[in-house]
Amino acid sequence: AQSVSQHNHHVILSEAASLELGCNYSYGGTVNLFWYVQYPGQHLQLLLKYFSGDPLVKGIKGFEAEFIKSKFSFNLRKPSVQWSDTAEYFCAVNAHYGGSQGNLIFGKGTKLSVKP
Amino acid sequence: GAGVSQSPRYKVAKRGQDVALRCDPISGHVSLFWYQQALGQGPEFLTYFQNEAQLDKSGLPSDRFFAERPEGSVSTLKIQRTQQEDSAVYLCASSLALWERVYEQYFGPGTRLTVT
Repeated sequence: AQSVSQHNHHVILSEAASLELGCNYSYGGTVNLFWYVQYPGQHLQLLLKYFSGDPLVKGIKGFEAEFIKSKFSFNLRKPSVQWSDTAEYFCAVNAHYGGSQGNLIFGKGTKLSVKP
Repeated sequence: GAGVSQSPRYKVAKRGQDVALRCDPISGHVSLFWYQQALGQGPEFLTYFQNEAQLDKSGLPSDRFFAERPEGSVSTLKIQRTQQEDSAVYLCASSLALWERVYEQYFGPGTRLTVT
């Protein structure tokens, strides 16, 4: 069965520090990859997505992620975090198989706390 | 435009009661998904509709869970004879996706179900 692993449960950073959140998935076929963010008290929002093409994708609020097929990874990065980035971040995979549109398979999430 | 809406936002049920959770997807979105998010976990897939057809219900945890989308728009997730382990946030998501063309999923705010 497909699965998604997020390596860090809780990350604490000071403002202006760089961020990298790890995400690995276990599926060898065609995948679409997503990072969603959930700010406190708000619903899940799409941060960025990878469908095909350039493996380095840019999202909203200065976030980017790199798809490395050989490593089954899709790590999220931001050069300089702000207090407003405090949120929970979820990596998700949409695996294609048997013609199905496919549901999202989520990691357990990484809680990011940014200290002002 | 309006996003995905869900009602009620919070529901407390006594063990053994039946509950019904409603989802209003974004207008024109063909696909609708239900997910269950337990505390400290990522969302887990329950079921998927394409218009009014329920194409995948492999994630429903038991036959106490039932979902419908009779006119291809609003969907209801019903849980019969609720148990404590049903306590979770139930998320609804919709997308334009049709067959193998994939689009991102837009999530509603969720319904937090607490079974006492």
